[in-house]
Amino acid sequence: QVQLVESGGGVVQPGGSLSLSCAASGFGFSGLGMHWVRQAPGKGVEWVTFIQYDGSTKSYADSVKGRFTVSRDNSQNTLFLQMNSLRPDDTAVYYCAKEWENSFDFWGQGTLVTVSS
Amino acid sequence: EIVLTQSPATLSLSPGERATLSCRASQSVPYLAWYQQKSGQAPRLLIHGASNRAAGIPARFSGSGSGTDFTLTISSLEPEDFAVYYCQQRTNWPPEITFGQGTRLEI
Repeated sequence: QVQLVESGGGVVQPGGSLSLSCAASGFGFSGLGMHWVRQAPGKGVEWVTFIQYDGSTKSYADSVKGRFTVSRDNSQNTLFLQMNSLRPDDTAVYYCAKEWENSFDFWGQGTLVTVSS
Repeated sequence: EIVLTQSPATLSLSPGERATLSCRASQSVPYLAWYQQKSGQAPRLLIHGASNRAAGIPARFSGSGSGTDFTLTISSLEPEDFAVYYCQQRTNWPPEITFGQGTRLEI
């Protein structure tokens, strides 16, 4: 069955960096686009970034452009999110999500990132 | 950026009643999906392509609309349907995605 397992969340100071991973299994990871989506505590859902199946095309939300970088390792079925220059408003649960039919049919359980001094 | 506006923000209904949730886009969108989210869980895909139920979604959930106006209808509410619902759109290429702010469906 499809599984997406995020890791790497934690507490970081403003201006710091953090790297998230998402281990995928149960589907053809190397042939599909993948996304990161986040949700601040008590708030709505916000799309963060997309990466094409081969890593050749990426897109970002304006709120993270220039600070976050998405990448993938298809040999390890793993998606990454490098987050730099973190701000308190980046505090959220970060989900990786599998794209299907222009929507997200599977989500991980999420990993919490807290940006606080 | 395409903005999705959901209404109402909160909808108070009882089991057995019909729920109608609205999602309006600031410009025409080619793809629209609906999600259900319960506390402490990731969102779950209900509807893709505006009107297609995802795998395993009960027939009481239906989606309609095109262009800028979309609707999610739950024909007869079950106790497990009380949750927050989000709409989501995707532009063509490269993809940029936005979500609505959510509608809370409460008893």
